[in-house]
Amino acid sequence: DSGVTQTPKHLITATGQRVTLRCSPRSGDLSVYWYQQSLDQGLQFLIQYYNGEERAKGNILERFSAQQFPDLHSELNLSSLELGDSALYFCASSGIGGNYNEQFFGPGTRLTVL
Amino acid sequence: GIQVEQSPPDLILQEGANSTLRCNFSDSVNNLQWFHQNPWGQLINLFYIPSGTKQNGRLSATTVATERYSLLYISSSQTTDSGVYFCAGRYYGNNRLAFGKGNQVVVIP
Repeated sequence: DSGVTQTPKHLITATGQRVTLRCSPRSGDLSVYWYQQSLDQGLQFLIQYYNGEERAKGNILERFSAQQFPDLHSELNLSSLELGDSALYFCASSGIGGNYNEQFFGPGTRLTVL
Repeated sequence: GIQVEQSPPDLILQEGANSTLRCNFSDSVNNLQWFHQNPWGQLINLFYIPSGTKQNGRLSATTVATERYSLLYISSSQTTDSGVYFCAGRYYGNNRLAFGKGNQVVVIP
């Protein structure tokens, strides 16, 4: 158990819909990262937040947005869903202990868009 | 961004065999991690190894930062070692991890 939690584990929805994925980082970690894993693109970085502020952006679509709340949990919002958005979405966190750069991953949310 | 190449892409091992997985980076990294993705999709941290050698049970890893590569050794493989192994690097001035495409390992009894 990495200490990072994600809900829900599975999500099935239809094209055009909007969903919210939730992540709670390890206790004390200030950084939260979102990654997408798809068959064709592999594991790709989407976005990072540090203590409530956006810190870095990757190949995140404009239809996707994220935020980190004062209690440090984060949400990834995916809207106008398309079939190609079906993927495994991971949240990771880092920030405490000696290896403060080491990222620990949650179990992921498997999104299926029908 | 940095390119991460992993080899071999696929590997079939007899239980008890040893193997070496390799990861090459196109640029210098200051953070390198190895992960195991199990059949349920979970990414398990194996090593945080920007440089040097570490061992954890039957697994060990070596990173030669100056030559931009890392190796993961699996000894006396077991069926539970099956899955996909990913290496990921973070280059200077950037916090994101860039992942390779993975090494698909199947250990047969």
